[in-house]
Amino acid sequence: DQQVKQNSPSLSVQEGRISILNCDYTNSMFDYFLWYKKYPAEGPTFLISISSIKDKNEDGRFTVFLNKSAKHLSLHIVPSQPGDSAVYFCAARGEGGNTGKLIFGQGTTLQVKP
Amino acid sequence: KAGVTQTPRYLIKTRGQQVTLSCSPISGHRSVSWYQQTPGQGLQFLFEYFSETQRNKGNFPGRFSGRQFSNSRSEMNVSTLELGDSALYLCASKGAAMNTEAFFGQGTRLTVV
Repeated sequence: DQQVKQNSPSLSVQEGRISILNCDYTNSMFDYFLWYKKYPAEGPTFLISISSIKDKNEDGRFTVFLNKSAKHLSLHIVPSQPGDSAVYFCAARGEGGNTGKLIFGQGTTLQVKP
Repeated sequence: KAGVTQTPRYLIKTRGQQVTLSCSPISGHRSVSWYQQTPGQGLQFLFEYFSETQRNKGNFPGRFSGRQFSNSRSEMNVSTLELGDSALYLCASKGAAMNTEAFFGQGTRLTVV
């Protein structure tokens, strides 16, 4: 039962353009969402998060949007840079309050072409 | 401030053997979680320890176990290794505040032959 889904395994964009990565979830009890970036053979690096009481959170080139009614969130990267090329994981905090448990999507590989 | 440290970075074991992986969290973090990453299954939650107690558990067989010490360092043990246990094992630590991110170590690459 995949509670967090990233339906696009890969995305390719041109340098300077916008990258939009999408994520869907099924459990309406999820109340905190995170995006991580990962390079091969390394641990994920935190990018940005959003609480379910908000619909948008921005940090520099990264913006996360949350649509609770659609159970959908997206990560926008503007402008995209070649160094952004990596695998991006969407994650939801597990139920039960302040837990360290994260439920991850399958990841989307982003390639930014110079 | 030192990050999350996992040892060893690489490990090769034979089927049937057991293995112990270690994780030192960020100083002050009491929550430590373990994940398995494989090409087909993505990042899957194994278990979480908080103040030496298992707080959450994922859907893995009993061959996978863990523990946490009083200094918050954690170990994960896999007994009777199978070829399918070959994966990147990641540890993450989290602070006490409610809506904060988990910080990951670089992982231990386990290969079972």
